[in-house]
Amino acid sequence: GQQLNQSPQSMFIQEGEDVSMNCTSSSIFNTWLWYKQDPGEGPVLLIALYKAGELTSNGRLTAQFGITRKDSFLNISASIPSDVGIYFCAGQAYSNSGYALNFGKGTSLLVTP
Amino acid sequence: DTAVSQTPKYLVTQMGNDKSIKCEQNLGHDTMYWYKQDSKKFLKIMFSYNNKELIINETVPNRFSPKSPDKAHLNLHINSLELGDSAVYFCASSPSGTSGSPEQFFGPGTRLTVL
Repeated sequence: GQQLNQSPQSMFIQEGEDVSMNCTSSSIFNTWLWYKQDPGEGPVLLIALYKAGELTSNGRLTAQFGITRKDSFLNISASIPSDVGIYFCAGQAYSNSGYALNFGKGTSLLVTP
Repeated sequence: DTAVSQTPKYLVTQMGNDKSIKCEQNLGHDTMYWYKQDSKKFLKIMFSYNNKELIINETVPNRFSPKSPDKAHLNLHINSLELGDSAVYFCASSPSGTSGSPEQFFGPGTRLTVL
């Protein structure tokens, strides 16, 4: 599988600040997904994007599927302490092998009250 | 109510042993996956099964053998465990393997430690 370039690697912010992270790929993807992983848990799906240019929100989270289909970003507005965790982007390109996801290396987010 | 469950949650064993991890999903999904998360938190696909048939088999040592007795279960058996096998193993499932939604739902993970 292909590894995506996700940045930043980590962020340390104060409660109330906005956060932005992004992912880039050298290949085109059909779908971009954003997951959050809490310590000791499995990744939980936050947002799924299916069309180039698509902008989707889920509460304080907003994500966009880049127009080139090779990138995506995730914004978190007005961060709160429970936003702490590792955020992963994942790209999927349909093939005869099905829907294996290619993951970024994750962005570790720390929020101080 | 658990959607994707794995057992055990923790597994500590000696090098050279054989062990199994079990996964079950009650979402009615057709496709199941095994991922490995290393110490740097990188998630990588190992296997994928669609309706009990193997459809993805990444470059994984043949000491790892997945088995799917039915489409709700995907177990992972590991022979002759090595130190480098220590990682967190995640099971996931999605509605369809070759068409439809690719959204995958993950289990809580099994932390394997090989001593």
